[in-house]
Amino acid sequence: QKEVEQNSGPLSVPEGAIASLNCTYSDRGSQSFFWYRQYSGKSPELIMFIYSNGDKEDGRFTAQLNKASQYVSLLIRDSQPSDSATYLCAVDSLYNNNDMRFGAGTRLTVKP
Amino acid sequence: EPEVTQTPSHQVTQMGQEVILRCVPISNHLYFYWYRQILGQKVEFLVSFYNNEISEKSEIFDDQFSVERPDGSNFTLKIRSTKLEDSAMYFCASSSGQGAVEKLFFGSGTQLSVL
Repeated sequence: QKEVEQNSGPLSVPEGAIASLNCTYSDRGSQSFFWYRQYSGKSPELIMFIYSNGDKEDGRFTAQLNKASQYVSLLIRDSQPSDSATYLCAVDSLYNNNDMRFGAGTRLTVKP
Repeated sequence: EPEVTQTPSHQVTQMGQEVILRCVPISNHLYFYWYRQILGQKVEFLVSFYNNEISEKSEIFDDQFSVERPDGSNFTLKIRSTKLEDSAMYFCASSSGQGAVEKLFFGSGTQLSVL
């Protein structure tokens, strides 16, 4: 059974700060890791994916993956109030890739 | 930009009634999914569908649930006899199945309320 764990928060950061969101997973066979953003009442929106150890940067977002520690994180630089949302970590297995599992999400609030 | 569309956006039904939730996945996508999210809880996998058959399903997806791709564009989720605990937001998703990374694109969801 794959489990994905996230700190539910809420995480509050001031505008312009770095927000750090963390996720751990239990299935060592997991191959692909995703960060989705979900605004209240809306559907999840893919913002980053990573499948190799190390860092992956896309604009203000950096995903970090450490498969040995079964840990994936998302950094948001220069946080904006529009970044306020729930961030969902999702984990997939290349060998069983039809049931992507989501964490419960971390609620982020960026205060102006 | 192509998107997954779901109808209706809201569905209210009486306990024990059948409901059908409809989805039109992105046109060149091959894999289709249903997820649900009970208010305040995590997004939960229900079922995946590929090549006109279920490829995987979760323990939530019991005999009351079924999926169908009746034509080349629609993908439906049927709940045969709804229960109060089926009240949730139901998300359809699709992916292209290309490459090593499955990127899911979600529809805007159907909010199901069972009274």
